[in-house]
Amino acid sequence: EVQLVESGGGLIQPGGSLRLSCTTSDFTVSSNYLIWVRQAPGKGLEWVSVFYGGGSTYYADSVKGRFTISRDNSNNMLYLQMNNLRAEDTAVYYCVGTVTTAMYFDYWGQGTLVTVSS
Amino acid sequence: EIVMTQSPGTLSVSPGERATLSCRASQSVRSDLAWYQQKPGQAPRLLISGASTRATGVPARFSGSGSGTEFTLTISSLQSEDFAFYYCQQYSNWPPITFGQGTRLEIK
Repeated sequence: EVQLVESGGGLIQPGGSLRLSCTTSDFTVSSNYLIWVRQAPGKGLEWVSVFYGGGSTYYADSVKGRFTISRDNSNNMLYLQMNNLRAEDTAVYYCVGTVTTAMYFDYWGQGTLVTVSS
Repeated sequence: EIVMTQSPGTLSVSPGERATLSCRASQSVRSDLAWYQQKPGQAPRLLISGASTRATGVPARFSGSGSGTEFTLTISSLQSEDFAFYYCQQYSNWPPITFGQGTRLEIK
């Protein structure tokens, strides 16, 4: 059974940095697509970043230049390095996977909460 | 960027009745449209992909239709566990991958 488990969330001051991790099981990160989606409190879903294909990465405009997605094929892990955090980055961050070549989302982690506040 | 608009924002329906949720794209997304269900405190769950293909384990009372810019999620004979938030998502033209703002399905 595919499982995605996020970790690394917490309370961080504006301007700070945080790295989220996603541990996968029964999911080969090197041959599938992995995505970060976030949800601000009481709000809808927002795509953040995707690690696609052989190594292409894409970012939402709202995080471009501040967030970096990466993966560790040997350990089947996904990461999201978040720098220069802002209050509007406060959200639950979901690690999401798909085993298809289409970008809809089969597998979701339980989410990790990031709170940016002084 | 393709903007996805869902309507209504909140839908009140009695158990056993039919619910019809709408999703409109600002430009054609062909049939590259997915629907998700999210219950409070839980991660979203994939219901429908390709506008009309149910995901594994999704009950037959959930059906999706449409193509191009107009899509519908229909839930026939609502069960208590169906009251939740529903989101549509296009994956035809990305980045960015875009979601609708969601429809809250509540008990009438």
